[in-house]
Amino acid sequence: DVKVTQSSRYLVKRTGEKVFLECVQDMDHENMFWYRQDPGLGLRLIYFSYDVKMKEKGDIPEGYSVSREKKERFSLILESASTNQTSMYLCASADPVRQVWDSSYNEQFFGPGTRLTVL
Amino acid sequence: AQSVTQLDSQVPVFEEAPVELRCNYSSSVSVYLFWYVQYPNQGLQLLLKYLSGSTLVKGINGFEAEFNKSQTSFHLRKPSVHISDTAEYFCAVSDPYNQGGKLIFGQGTELSVKP
Repeated sequence: DVKVTQSSRYLVKRTGEKVFLECVQDMDHENMFWYRQDPGLGLRLIYFSYDVKMKEKGDIPEGYSVSREKKERFSLILESASTNQTSMYLCASADPVRQVWDSSYNEQFFGPGTRLTVL
Repeated sequence: AQSVTQLDSQVPVFEEAPVELRCNYSSSVSVYLFWYVQYPNQGLQLLLKYLSGSTLVKGINGFEAEFNKSQTSFHLRKPSVHISDTAEYFCAVSDPYNQGGKLIFGQGTELSVKP
């Protein structure tokens, strides 16, 4: 089974602090994603990565950065946390399988989430 | 641009009753469609997906969904729900030409099954 782990389930930080959220996957997936989940807004993509050291902005990248130094690890960084970044953060990974008949095509595997509170 | 709309934010239902969670999408190209479920305090897991072929797709835990291209819908159904189905359900769409499999999610529907 694919396993995606996130470093913390709950995190409380103060405004202005630098925050690191870590995500690790054990299935050698090339693609990794960071989402934030807010009530009534669903999941919104912050950043994603196709490969080591490669990253692309998602829909809401402002105030965030990412790092992918190793294939299995994708970090989300809040350079200076603000109260409007209080949210649930979900990491996901996927294998860029091209064959549509493969049963795992396009499936993203999610971690349990980190609930971040910024005071 | 693609978008997904889940028409109901909350759906309360009694145990053993049927349920339908509605999802509509907009896209100018062919799409792949997904339903994910999030149980309390957990991440998301895939319920089912439509890639091609039969428009009726069966998933885990007795759920099924029907792809309707003319109505741009992908509604999720279960004929008889259990308490354990209480969760949040997300519909998602991806562009088949979008490398890396980016997904666009709907707002989510909270299914609450009461005894």
